[in-house]
This record gives sequence, C-alpha cells and structure tokens, in this order.
Amino acid sequence: QSVLTQPPSASGTPGQRVTISCSGSSSNIGSKTVNWYQKLPGTAPKLLIHTNNQRPSGVPDRFSGSKSGTSASLAISGLQSEDEADYYCAAWDDSLNGVVFGGGTKLTVL
Amino acid sequence: QVQLVQSGAEVKQPGASVKVACKASGYTFTGYYMHWVRQAPGQGLEWMGWINANSGGANYAQKFQGRVTMTRDTSISTAYMEVNRLRADDTAVYYCARDRDNWGITYWGQGTLVTVSS
Repeated sequence: QSVLTQPPSASGTPGQRVTISCSGSSSNIGSKTVNWYQKLPGTAPKLLIHTNNQRPSGVPDRFSGSKSGTSASLAISGLQSEDEADYYCAAWDDSLNGVVFGGGTKLTVL
Repeated sequence: QVQLVQSGAEVKQPGASVKVACKASGYTFTGYYMHWVRQAPGQGLEWMGWINANSGGANYAQKFQGRVTMTRDTSISTAYMEVNRLRADDTAVYYCARDRDNWGITYWGQGTLVTVSS
C-alpha cells in the first residue's frame, strides 16, 4: 500500500467538476509541498500542479490544487473527455527520506 | 529545453541484471539530482531513489537498498540505474526524472520497459 492515500477511482460527466483527494501524514504532506501528475497509458507522467497549487506553463486553469493539514486535493473543473487518465499525488517524506506517491486515481469521463 | 532520453526495452531472465541509461541534454547535468521511478503493470508510481549527478552520491528507497545501484558518467551526461537479481515482479516501466528548482520532479524520460521472464 502507498504512503499517500488516494481513492482508486473517480468519475464525472463532461462539464462537471471533480475532486481527487490525497491523504498523508505529518512527515510528508503535513510539512512538505504536494505535486500532482497526470498519467496517460504509454506516456510518461506529466506535472500538473507543483508546490500545492501552482500550475506549470501550459496546464489549463481548469486544474487546481489545494492543501490543508495532512491532506491535499486536485480539482478539475469543466471536465473534458481528454482528462480521462490516472492522477497521482506526490510529496517528500522526511521519515522515509524519499519521495512518496499516492496509489493513483483513475478518472473516468462518463 | 530539458530532455531525458532513455535506453531501449530489455528482456531479462530471473536472476540476471539490467542497466538502464538516461542521457540528459539541455541543461548542466551536474547541477541536478536524477530520480528513478518505476511503474509495474497495473500498479502505481514507485520512487526508487536518486543520484547526485555532481558527487555521485545516491539515496535509495529502503525497498531497493542492496539490489539497485545508481551511477552516472558526467563526461556524457548520462545517468544509469542497475537492478540486480531480477525477479518477475521487477517487470515494469522504469523512468528517470529530474527536479526543477523547488518544484519537485518535473521532467521525465520516456520510460524503459524491462520484462523479466524465463
């Protein structure tokens, strides 16, 4: 099991807003910043959100991130079919002295 | 622009070793650490460790200590990740990846599929 906990699946219809949660502890999310990655089959992960809520250039503003305490969330508004992918949260963990990932959430656009 | 280009797919027998290469370009190779992350079929992303491209010092996830070795050759801006005593559950796509300043892992190689099968 992963150090960071994500729901295995999420879904929504086009145009809807969906949220994916990521739960950790004081040694990772509680004291470090969170990144979110989008993973499409057969391609490398793509950085969506860094430093809890910052979008790299080129990432649509439909994607937003937030963090509170030992949890973080990724929100996708105006859901599009192309958003169907796996999403992963990640953070540094001081206890493990390494990067930890969530188990991933498979987003289905109905 | 930052580019990380990995070596090609490998098929290995159980008990063998595999060495994956990651050639970097578009930046000063010795200025950044290089991470290695893997994804087994149907599984999530798993961080394996990182290597300081300047000093050569490496930090491994506990799970991989003693079986994985990360090295680099600064003369050709290439990082390497070697897995010894391969098992079937080492079958995965292996990625090299680099941080960007304080952003965390930002840039990724294209991935290298390693298949362990007899």
